[in-house]
Amino acid sequence: SQKIEQNSEALNIQEGKTATLTCNYTNYSPAYLQWYRQDPGRGPVFLLLIRENEKEKRKERLKVTFDTTLKQSLFHITASQPADSATYLCAPSPDNAGNMLTFGGGTRLMVKP
Amino acid sequence: DAGVIQSPRHEVTEMGQEVTLRCKPISGHDYLFWYRQTMMRGLELLIYFNNNVPIDDSGMPEDRFSAKMPNASFSTLKIQPSEPRDSAVYFCASSRAAGNYGYTFGSGTRLTVV
Repeated sequence: SQKIEQNSEALNIQEGKTATLTCNYTNYSPAYLQWYRQDPGRGPVFLLLIRENEKEKRKERLKVTFDTTLKQSLFHITASQPADSATYLCAPSPDNAGNMLTFGGGTRLMVKP
Repeated sequence: DAGVIQSPRHEVTEMGQEVTLRCKPISGHDYLFWYRQTMMRGLELLIYFNNNVPIDDSGMPEDRFSAKMPNASFSTLKIQPSEPRDSAVYFCASSRAAGNYGYTFGSGTRLTVV
C-alpha cells in the first residue's frame, strides 16, 4: 500500500541554522509533491509544489528537492527563525492523475533563539 | 478574498446527536475537499468534489457520514448519529485545477462528541 513517512520526532535547531526535513514515500510514483506549514489551531498553509521533472525548487528561504529514484523529498529552511517553528507536512500527489492529496504525518520544527 | 470559511469553529455535542459542518470555498475553485485530523491518524481525506460533484468518498468512515455540495459556494458534512470517536478537527479545503495549485484550507471545526 502507498505510504508516506515523515520524521514524527520534533526537530530542534538553533536560530540561523538550516533546517532539513525529510519526506519518504513508497509504493507509488507521484507526479508532483507539495509542502505545507501548519500552526497550532490552524489549517495547513500551502508553501511549495515541485513536479517530478524538477529536481529543486526555491522560494525565498525555502528549498525543496525531489528525488524520484530515492522516492524522497527534502525541505530546507535556511537562516531559520523562531517564527519558522511549526509542523511541516508533505503531500505527494496520487499516481492516478487524480487531485486528492494524501498527507504525511508531519514533522514539528522548533527553532530556538 | 476571505479564504475558505468554515463554521462553526467549535462544536460540542452529545453522542447520538446530528452534527452539520459547513464550508464556503474560495470563489472560482473547482475542487472542494473534506479532511479530518486527529493526533493518531493525522490528516485523512474523507471526500472530495469537482464542480459540485462528489468524485471520491472512499474515505468516509461509515454511513453515518454524508457530504453534499448543492452549489459552487457551499458544502456540508453531516454526521448522524455522532459518536465520541468522531471527535476531531474537520478541515475543508479548496483548489483550482488539478495538479497545478496548492490547497487553501479553512480554519477547521473542532468537534467534540461527549
